[in-house]
Amino acid sequence: GENVEQHPSTLSVQEGDSAVIKCTYSDSASNYFPWYKQELGKRPQLIIDIRSNVGEKKDQRIAVTLNKTAKHFSLHITETQPEDSAVYFCADYNSDRGSTLGRLYFGRGTQLTVWP
Amino acid sequence: KAGVTQTPRYLIKTRGQQVTLSCSPISGHRSVSWYQQTPGQGLQFLFEYFSETQRNKGNFPGRFSGRQFSNSRSEMNVSTLELGDSALYLCASSLAPGTTNYGYTFGSGTRLTVV
Repeated sequence: GENVEQHPSTLSVQEGDSAVIKCTYSDSASNYFPWYKQELGKRPQLIIDIRSNVGEKKDQRIAVTLNKTAKHFSLHITETQPEDSAVYFCADYNSDRGSTLGRLYFGRGTQLTVWP
Repeated sequence: KAGVTQTPRYLIKTRGQQVTLSCSPISGHRSVSWYQQTPGQGLQFLFEYFSETQRNKGNFPGRFSGRQFSNSRSEMNVSTLELGDSALYLCASSLAPGTTNYGYTFGSGTRLTVV
């Protein structure tokens, strides 16, 4: 199928704690997995991405892991801060879905709230 | 380097009217994708244009259409507006379809309200 399932839909953590958001995809041909952060009233912004030939990628306090066998990838945010509060979207890109041309498929988003 | 520019930022239209939204991609980007964002539905794919051709289309009725010009700017049109069309319409640009090296960059969106 085309859906990317994202969990949880809402996540509340205390400042300084870690947050983990998980996404599952269905097609083994998916080869690119970006994560977007959307603050209230603003545009989605790419915060990190990973390709299918890599298992993990880090950028300061954020990291993404990919498990191709299980078809899931996760966003990890450590030492959370109130400014991390936003909606986070995962997506996968498949450039070879039979007769369907490749494009990004998005999860439904996770509202992360970090309490000071 | 200018980002993705969408105009107008806000629109209020009446049911039955039509509307045209504009998206100017990052300079050098030739692919423009359009998404509809509503609470609880996330980002729903409308269509993608590349080299003035629609290369991919989502599951939206024919009232939703688009086009791309030779300078890569894109417009989307919604005819016979319905209340359910109220949403944030986002466009995203990339170098070309499938070139994920630099990702897809979103504009700030057009907030359409149908009354």
